[in-house]
Amino acid sequence: DTGVSQDPRHKITKRGQNVTFRCDPISEHNRLYWYRQTLGQGPEFLTYFQNEAQLEKSRLLSDRFSAERPKGSFSTLEIQRTEQGDSAMYLCASSASAQRDQETQYFGPGTRLLVL
Amino acid sequence: AQTVTQSQPEMSVQEAETVTLSCTYDTSESDYYLFWYKQPPSRQMILVIRQEAYKQQNATENRFSVNFQKAAKSFSLKISDSQLGDAAMYFCAYREPGAGSYQLTFGKGTKLSVIP
Repeated sequence: DTGVSQDPRHKITKRGQNVTFRCDPISEHNRLYWYRQTLGQGPEFLTYFQNEAQLEKSRLLSDRFSAERPKGSFSTLEIQRTEQGDSAMYLCASSASAQRDQETQYFGPGTRLLVL
Repeated sequence: AQTVTQSQPEMSVQEAETVTLSCTYDTSESDYYLFWYKQPPSRQMILVIRQEAYKQQNATENRFSVNFQKAAKSFSLKISDSQLGDAAMYFCAYREPGAGSYQLTFGKGTKLSVIP
């Protein structure tokens, strides 16, 4: 069990640029989540996948945001035409649907985005 | 919509002493899950303890225990014999049960300092 990994850990970009983040969940986990955490706040839910299907999206996920999980393994989160308000920590989490602790989400270290 | 409130932005405790972090939540559901997560500075979020609402017995994990008061919608975390490594942000989180929404709703967090 290597845990949830995210890449990159830090990203600085200029306003208007596109950025893409990657998340690799724990290998046997079929559920994957994206959250956004701004300074001084708790994480806020963005979207959720079960296998390759995106089953839930928050109103926070504007049309500039898109997430994919091809083949139900790793996931990517892309932000197009970044704005300064997108600056935040983007957290990925995963959970299993067939284990005793299926309700527990395990978090990655996050990708910290700064939009200049 | 469910809301989670942590009324203590910051708390401090003397090493080896006991501290209690407060959390209240609002829901119309009768069955749900509650969690406490710990986020050390610049490190990833880890699960401290979880509680299923249908269980009357309060969850415990070594030095960590909860006081779950369902009627009052209160879910406090008690840390006994506090250690320097307990210093972190602590987030209370709520999740609906079953095959509905899997998203976690977090409070704003409590920053815990441990004084040597």
